[in-house]
Amino acid sequence: DTGVSQDPRHKITKRGQNVTFRCDPISEHNRLYWYRQTLGQGPEFLTYFQNEAQLEKSRLLSDRFSAERPKGSFSTLEIQRTEQGDSAMYLCASSFETVQETQYFGPGTRLLVL
Amino acid sequence: QQQVKQSPQSLIVQKGGISIINCAYENTAFDYFPWYQQFPGKGPALLIAIRPDVSEKKEGRFTISFNKSAKQFSLHIMDSQPGDSATYFCAAVYNFNKFYFGSGTKLNVKP
Repeated sequence: DTGVSQDPRHKITKRGQNVTFRCDPISEHNRLYWYRQTLGQGPEFLTYFQNEAQLEKSRLLSDRFSAERPKGSFSTLEIQRTEQGDSAMYLCASSFETVQETQYFGPGTRLLVL
Repeated sequence: QQQVKQSPQSLIVQKGGISIINCAYENTAFDYFPWYQQFPGKGPALLIAIRPDVSEKKEGRFTISFNKSAKQFSLHIMDSQPGDSATYFCAAVYNFNKFYFGSGTKLNVKP
């Protein structure tokens, strides 16, 4: 399968714990996006990378959230001191720079904060 | 502030019928309007998309109608099938890069 992959698919954690999610984009894609999707809503943009550079961050991305893409390949999204309001599906998408409007989504990581 | 408003929230259609989902936007700077299909436990998948210089685009049973003056666009699914049962999201894209999604429509096609 050469699509976007995310790990883990599900994560249950206690409030106050730190969690880290991983996204592996389609190998030729140099743009990588993170979204958050809550129940009954569409995905909301969090941040995106072009290669290893983080080019934009949403105001939704509080100081507790940090994303990296150290070698321009896979990316990690870390949430520190999780809160119950962080419970959501975290989606990753990737695209070619020259066809950036066509984003391919991964299956998502569903986070539940107890 | 919601950039894209989508309706209805849910839709039930008989097999063979036409499913219609509507979206409206405010920002005239949007330059691309895709529709995504999402099955439970999966990420959204691109279904069909249109640019604002075109009023209609058809791919198989799926058609986007775009009304630039009204700032509205819609997805029509002809001959709806039970396999089309999924959640559909419209999106409006700024600078071909910044995506704003609607809240989704859960479609149920009854056999």
